[in-house]
Amino acid sequence: DVKVTQSSRYLVKRTGEKVFLECVQDMDHENMFWYRQDPGLGLRLIYFSYDVKMKEKGDIPEGYSVSREKKERFSLILESASTNQTSMYLCASSSRTSGSYADTQYFGPGTRLTVL
Amino acid sequence: AQKVTQAQTEISVVEKEDVTLDCVYETRDTTYYLFWYKQPPSGELVFLIRRNSFDEQNEISGRYSWNFQKSTSSFNFTITASQVVDSAVYFCALSDPYSGGGADGLTFGKGTHLIIQP
Repeated sequence: DVKVTQSSRYLVKRTGEKVFLECVQDMDHENMFWYRQDPGLGLRLIYFSYDVKMKEKGDIPEGYSVSREKKERFSLILESASTNQTSMYLCASSSRTSGSYADTQYFGPGTRLTVL
Repeated sequence: AQKVTQAQTEISVVEKEDVTLDCVYETRDTTYYLFWYKQPPSGELVFLIRRNSFDEQNEISGRYSWNFQKSTSSFNFTITASQVVDSAVYFCALSDPYSGGGADGLTFGKGTHLIIQP
């Protein structure tokens, strides 16, 4: 079975804190993604990675950075958390099959982050 | 730019009714993929279906069916004989594999909240 796990389901942090959200997948997938989900806005892509140490900005990268040191792990970093980063964060992964670029993305359970 | 529109914000039906969730998309490319995901109250997005732009056959999986019409850029999802467990937010998404290098993300619609009343 496909498995994507996220380090926390719920997280409460204070403004200005550095926040790490961790995502691990066990499917040997090349691609990994971070989205945030907000009411009325749907899901928006923050960053993605198609290989170890590679990263690409998504639609809303401002205020975030990422790290991918190992294939199975993709971290989202909020350098200095702000209240407008209160949101649900979803991690996903997909394989990169030759000849088929848009393989299915499988999602983790999400982390609901509150920044006070 | 790509766009996915799910015009129905919320639908409420009584159990056993059939219900159709609409999805309309915009893309300039001829090669693309469409997806449906289900998000139950637990929060995790559950993959339901993936369809490429060259396959216009309708798909049926149990009580679920999908109608892909390229002429109207629509990929609608029907649940037959709905059940309370079908209550969730459903997202339609579009991937454009040739819009750039690497692995592109999905463009999601804003979702339809489906409520099945007992």
